[in-house]
Amino acid sequence: EAGVAQSPRYKIIEKRQSVAFWCNPISGHATLYWYQQILGQGPKLLIQFQNNGVVDDSQLPKDRFSAERLKGVDSTLKIQPAKLEDSAVYLCASSLGGQGAYEQYFGPGTRLTVT
Amino acid sequence: AQKVTQAQTEISVVEKEDVTLDCVYETRDTTYYLFWYKQPPSGELVFLIRRNSFDEQNEISGRYSWNFQKSTSSFNFTITASQVVDSAVYFCALKLTGGGNKLTFGTGTQLKVEL
Repeated sequence: EAGVAQSPRYKIIEKRQSVAFWCNPISGHATLYWYQQILGQGPKLLIQFQNNGVVDDSQLPKDRFSAERLKGVDSTLKIQPAKLEDSAVYLCASSLGGQGAYEQYFGPGTRLTVT
Repeated sequence: AQKVTQAQTEISVVEKEDVTLDCVYETRDTTYYLFWYKQPPSGELVFLIRRNSFDEQNEISGRYSWNFQKSTSSFNFTITASQVVDSAVYFCALKLTGGGNKLTFGTGTQLKVEL
Protein backbone atom coordinates (compact mmCIF):
# COMPACT_ATOMS: atom_id res chain seq x y z
CA GLU A 1 0.00 0.00 0.00
CA ALA A 2 1.38 3.39 -0.98
CA GLY A 3 2.05 5.81 1.84
CA VAL A 4 1.35 9.51 2.08
CA ALA A 5 3.06 11.35 -0.76
CA GLN A 6 4.29 14.93 -0.56
CA SER A 7 6.02 17.24 -2.96
CA PRO A 8 8.31 18.98 -3.25
CA ARG A 9 10.68 17.55 -0.65
CA TYR A 10 12.67 20.77 -0.41
CA LYS A 11 11.93 24.37 -1.25
CA ILE A 12 13.96 27.53 -0.83
CA ILE A 13 12.28 30.88 -1.37
CA GLU A 14 12.83 34.48 -0.45
CA LYS A 15 10.62 36.23 2.04
CA ARG A 16 7.45 37.72 0.60
CA GLN A 17 7.36 35.08 -2.12
CA SER A 18 4.62 32.48 -2.42
CA VAL A 19 4.92 28.73 -2.14
CA ALA A 20 2.61 25.74 -2.40
CA PHE A 21 2.91 22.21 -1.11
CA TRP A 22 1.03 19.18 -2.32
CA CYS A 23 -0.13 16.09 -0.46
CA ASN A 24 -1.69 12.85 -1.64
CA PRO A 25 -3.05 10.80 1.28
CA ILE A 26 -3.36 7.06 1.55
CA SER A 27 -6.19 5.79 -0.59
CA GLY A 28 -9.46 5.63 1.32
CA HIS A 29 -8.35 7.89 4.16
CA ALA A 30 -11.06 10.43 4.84
CA THR A 31 -9.07 12.65 7.16
CA LEU A 32 -6.07 14.72 6.15
CA TYR A 33 -3.84 16.87 8.32
CA TRP A 34 -1.17 19.49 7.74
CA TYR A 35 1.41 19.98 10.48
CA GLN A 36 4.21 22.52 10.80
CA GLN A 37 7.40 21.31 12.46
CA ILE A 38 9.89 24.01 13.36
CA LEU A 39 13.42 22.84 14.03
CA GLY A 40 13.75 21.45 17.53
CA GLN A 41 10.02 21.30 18.13
CA GLY A 42 7.26 18.77 17.78
CA PRO A 43 4.79 18.99 14.92
CA LYS A 44 1.96 21.48 15.36
CA LEU A 45 -1.39 20.96 13.66
CA LEU A 46 -2.22 23.67 11.15
CA ILE A 47 -5.40 22.30 9.63
CA GLN A 48 -7.47 19.13 9.56
CA PHE A 49 -9.85 18.09 6.79
CA GLN A 50 -12.60 15.52 6.98
CA ASN A 51 -13.22 14.62 3.34
CA ASN A 52 -13.22 18.10 1.78
CA GLY A 53 -14.50 19.99 4.82
CA VAL A 54 -12.38 21.74 7.42
CA VAL A 55 -12.59 20.27 10.94
CA ASP A 56 -9.96 22.36 12.71
CA ASP A 57 -7.97 25.31 11.43
CA SER A 58 -7.60 27.12 14.73
CA GLN A 59 -3.80 27.29 14.49
CA LEU A 60 -3.59 28.22 10.82
CA PRO A 61 -2.31 31.79 10.29
CA LYS A 62 -5.11 32.65 7.94
CA ASP A 63 -3.67 35.98 6.88
CA ARG A 64 -0.97 34.17 4.93
CA PHE A 65 -1.72 30.44 4.94
CA SER A 66 -4.47 28.72 3.01
CA ALA A 67 -5.29 25.11 2.33
CA GLU A 68 -7.78 23.22 0.26
CA ARG A 69 -8.77 19.67 -0.33
CA LEU A 70 -10.77 19.52 -3.49
CA LYS A 71 -12.73 16.33 -4.13
CA GLY A 72 -11.73 15.03 -0.72
CA VAL A 73 -8.45 13.49 -1.86
CA ASP A 74 -5.34 15.57 -2.63
CA SER A 75 -4.60 18.71 -0.72
CA THR A 76 -2.50 21.81 -1.21
CA LEU A 77 -1.14 24.16 1.42
CA LYS A 78 -0.13 27.64 0.33
CA ILE A 79 1.82 30.40 2.00
CA GLN A 80 1.52 33.90 0.60
CA PRO A 81 3.57 35.91 1.40
CA ALA A 82 6.19 33.86 3.23
CA LYS A 83 8.04 35.13 6.28
CA LEU A 84 11.36 34.05 7.72
CA GLU A 85 9.60 32.34 10.62
CA ASP A 86 7.77 30.05 8.19
CA SER A 87 10.99 28.08 7.71
CA ALA A 88 10.01 24.61 8.86
CA VAL A 89 9.11 21.13 7.72
CA TYR A 90 5.52 20.82 6.60
CA LEU A 91 4.14 17.38 7.25
CA CYS A 92 1.02 15.91 5.77
CA ALA A 93 -0.74 13.01 7.47
CA SER A 94 -3.88 11.01 6.84
CA SER A 95 -6.10 8.66 8.80
CA LEU A 96 -9.14 6.54 8.13
CA GLY A 97 -11.34 8.67 10.34
CA GLY A 98 -11.25 11.83 12.35
CA GLN A 99 -12.40 10.61 15.73
CA GLY A 100 -11.29 7.95 18.13
CA ALA A 101 -7.92 6.31 18.09
CA TYR A 102 -7.31 6.30 14.36
CA GLU A 103 -3.63 6.14 13.64
CA GLN A 104 -2.20 8.98 11.60
CA TYR A 105 0.19 8.08 8.81
CA PHE A 106 2.74 10.75 7.96
CA GLY A 107 4.40 11.68 4.72
CA PRO A 108 8.12 12.54 4.40
CA GLY A 109 7.47 16.27 4.68
CA THR A 110 8.50 19.34 2.72
CA ARG A 111 11.42 21.28 4.14
CA LEU A 112 10.88 24.98 3.50
CA THR A 113 13.66 27.51 3.90
CA VAL A 114 12.73 31.18 3.70
CA THR A 115 15.69 33.53 3.17
CA ALA B 1 -5.38 22.78 27.42
CA GLN B 2 -3.25 19.71 27.01
CA LYS B 3 0.52 19.59 27.08
CA VAL B 4 3.26 17.01 26.57
CA THR B 5 6.71 17.42 28.08
CA GLN B 6 9.80 15.54 27.01
CA ALA B 7 12.48 16.93 29.28
CA GLN B 8 15.35 15.04 27.66
CA THR B 9 16.47 16.98 24.61
CA GLU B 10 19.23 14.60 23.61
CA ILE B 11 20.49 11.24 24.86
CA SER B 12 23.64 9.46 23.74
CA VAL B 13 24.25 5.81 24.49
CA VAL B 14 26.59 3.11 23.35
CA GLU B 15 25.13 0.23 21.38
CA LYS B 16 23.58 -2.51 23.51
CA GLU B 17 22.84 -0.17 26.38
CA ASP B 18 19.26 0.18 27.58
CA VAL B 19 17.74 3.63 27.35
CA THR B 20 14.52 5.17 28.67
CA LEU B 21 12.82 8.16 27.10
CA ASP B 22 10.59 10.11 29.44
CA CYS B 23 7.20 11.59 28.64
CA VAL B 24 4.95 13.55 31.00
CA TYR B 25 1.56 14.80 29.89
CA GLU B 26 -1.06 17.19 31.18
CA THR B 27 -4.76 17.10 30.52
CA ARG B 28 -7.97 17.65 32.44
CA ASP B 29 -9.77 15.03 30.40
CA THR B 30 -10.21 11.59 31.90
CA THR B 31 -10.18 9.80 28.58
CA TYR B 32 -7.41 10.23 26.09
CA TYR B 33 -4.83 8.42 23.99
CA LEU B 34 -1.05 8.50 24.18
CA PHE B 35 1.29 7.80 21.29
CA TRP B 36 4.96 7.40 20.55
CA TYR B 37 6.37 8.21 17.12
CA LYS B 38 9.88 7.77 15.74
CA GLN B 39 11.34 10.30 13.31
CA PRO B 40 14.49 9.00 11.60
CA PRO B 41 16.75 11.34 9.60
CA SER B 42 14.55 10.78 6.54
CA GLY B 43 11.92 12.90 8.29
CA GLU B 44 8.91 10.64 8.15
CA LEU B 45 7.13 10.09 11.46
CA VAL B 46 6.70 6.38 12.17
CA PHE B 47 3.97 5.21 14.52
CA LEU B 48 5.24 3.02 17.36
CA ILE B 49 2.43 2.61 19.86
CA ARG B 50 -0.97 3.87 20.96
CA ARG B 51 -2.31 3.49 24.51
CA ASN B 52 -5.70 4.59 25.80
CA SER B 53 -6.14 6.07 29.24
CA PHE B 54 -8.13 3.10 30.53
CA ASP B 55 -5.36 0.63 29.86
CA GLU B 56 -2.41 0.98 32.21
CA GLN B 57 -0.99 -2.38 31.35
CA ASN B 58 2.62 -2.12 30.26
CA GLU B 59 3.43 -3.31 26.78
CA ILE B 60 6.45 -4.99 25.28
CA SER B 61 7.19 -5.32 21.59
CA GLY B 62 10.54 -6.87 20.87
CA ARG B 63 13.20 -4.55 22.25
CA TYR B 64 10.65 -1.82 22.93
CA SER B 65 8.59 -1.47 26.08
CA TRP B 66 6.29 1.18 27.41
CA ASN B 67 5.40 2.06 30.98
CA PHE B 68 2.14 3.99 31.44
CA GLN B 69 1.50 5.39 34.91
CA LYS B 70 -1.64 7.44 35.18
CA SER B 71 -0.84 8.42 38.78
CA THR B 72 2.23 10.34 37.62
CA SER B 73 0.90 11.24 34.15
CA SER B 74 3.84 9.54 32.53
CA PHE B 75 4.23 7.33 29.50
CA ASN B 76 7.88 6.31 29.31
CA PHE B 77 9.51 4.37 26.51
CA THR B 78 12.42 1.97 27.00
CA ILE B 79 14.64 0.50 24.32
CA THR B 80 16.52 -2.58 25.44
CA ALA B 81 19.89 -3.41 23.90
CA SER B 82 19.89 -0.30 21.73
CA GLN B 83 21.16 -0.44 18.16
CA VAL B 84 22.55 2.18 15.83
CA VAL B 85 19.34 1.96 13.78
CA ASP B 86 17.45 3.25 16.80
CA SER B 87 19.09 6.64 16.35
CA ALA B 88 16.25 9.07 15.68
CA VAL B 89 14.09 11.70 17.29
CA TYR B 90 11.29 10.20 19.35
CA PHE B 91 8.06 12.06 19.99
CA CYS B 92 5.41 11.44 22.58
CA ALA B 93 1.92 12.72 21.71
CA LEU B 94 -1.47 13.09 23.33
CA LYS B 95 -4.92 12.98 21.80
CA LEU B 96 -8.17 13.66 23.55
CA THR B 97 -11.08 11.39 22.74
CA GLY B 98 -13.01 14.34 21.39
CA GLY B 99 -11.46 17.13 19.38
CA GLY B 100 -11.15 15.62 15.95
CA ASN B 101 -8.11 13.41 16.35
CA LYS B 102 -5.72 16.31 16.90
CA LEU B 103 -2.34 15.19 18.22
CA THR B 104 -0.42 17.35 20.68
CA PHE B 105 3.27 16.52 20.44
CA GLY B 106 6.12 16.97 22.86
CA THR B 107 9.34 18.60 21.70
CA GLY B 108 11.00 15.25 21.08
CA THR B 109 14.11 13.46 22.34
CA GLN B 110 17.06 13.00 20.02
CA LEU B 111 18.54 9.55 20.63
CA LYS B 112 22.04 8.85 19.36
CA VAL B 113 23.28 5.29 19.54
CA GLU B 114 26.99 4.94 18.89
CA LEU B 115 29.16 1.91 18.28
